[in-house]
Amino acid sequence: GQQVMQIPQYQHVQEGEDSTTYCNSSTTLSNIQWYKQRPGGHPVFLIQLVKSGEVKKQKRLTFQFGEAKKNSSLHITATQTTDVGTYFCAGNTDKLIFGTGTRLQVFP
Amino acid sequence: GAVVSQHPSRVICKSGTSVKIECRSLDFQATTMFWYRQFPKQSLMLMATSNEGSKATYEQGVEKDKFLINHASLTLSTLTVTSAHPEDSSFYICSAMGHSNTEAFFGQGTRLTVV
Repeated sequence: GQQVMQIPQYQHVQEGEDSTTYCNSSTTLSNIQWYKQRPGGHPVFLIQLVKSGEVKKQKRLTFQFGEAKKNSSLHITATQTTDVGTYFCAGNTDKLIFGTGTRLQVFP
Repeated sequence: GAVVSQHPSRVICKSGTSVKIECRSLDFQATTMFWYRQFPKQSLMLMATSNEGSKATYEQGVEKDKFLINHASLTLSTLTVTSAHPEDSSFYICSAMGHSNTEAFFGQGTRLTVV
């Protein structure tokens, strides 16, 4: 079945450093979505990428969709403690399959 | 964004009993609802996809007789955990998509503890 993997599983960075998480799908996607889940909370939608090679920015977050529409990345510039949480990509074909997640910890 | 309400947020039940979890889209019509299960510090595992008025499609390894899903209307889907056992204890979360099939809106989740 369809699988969506993310690396790294854990990421520990110092405040002000950059952070990148990568997402890879075993199948070609119609679109890819990114979610953030804070400890104890539910996933919150961040963004959706649809077009091959698409790049979108949200303040310090940069999202990219691969040319083959099978991979994506999330880059956080100058991380802050408010960025702490688990970031999930979710690949969309006829159903939404979540990636394994990257748990981001930011140290002041 | 749109609002999805999931109820209850927490439930404790005895082994052998059944528990029903409701997922409602409050301000949009949810043509598709997804049910996920999340173990501590792990990702969301898709259990099943339900479309209004039709039978749910279950993922491989998910027992359809144990996890009964009903999507009777465009605003309500229910998940019933039948004859619950301690290993069913987990965080269950629903999400809903509308006609535009863009982002999924998540409920707040239900933490089930079976004792």
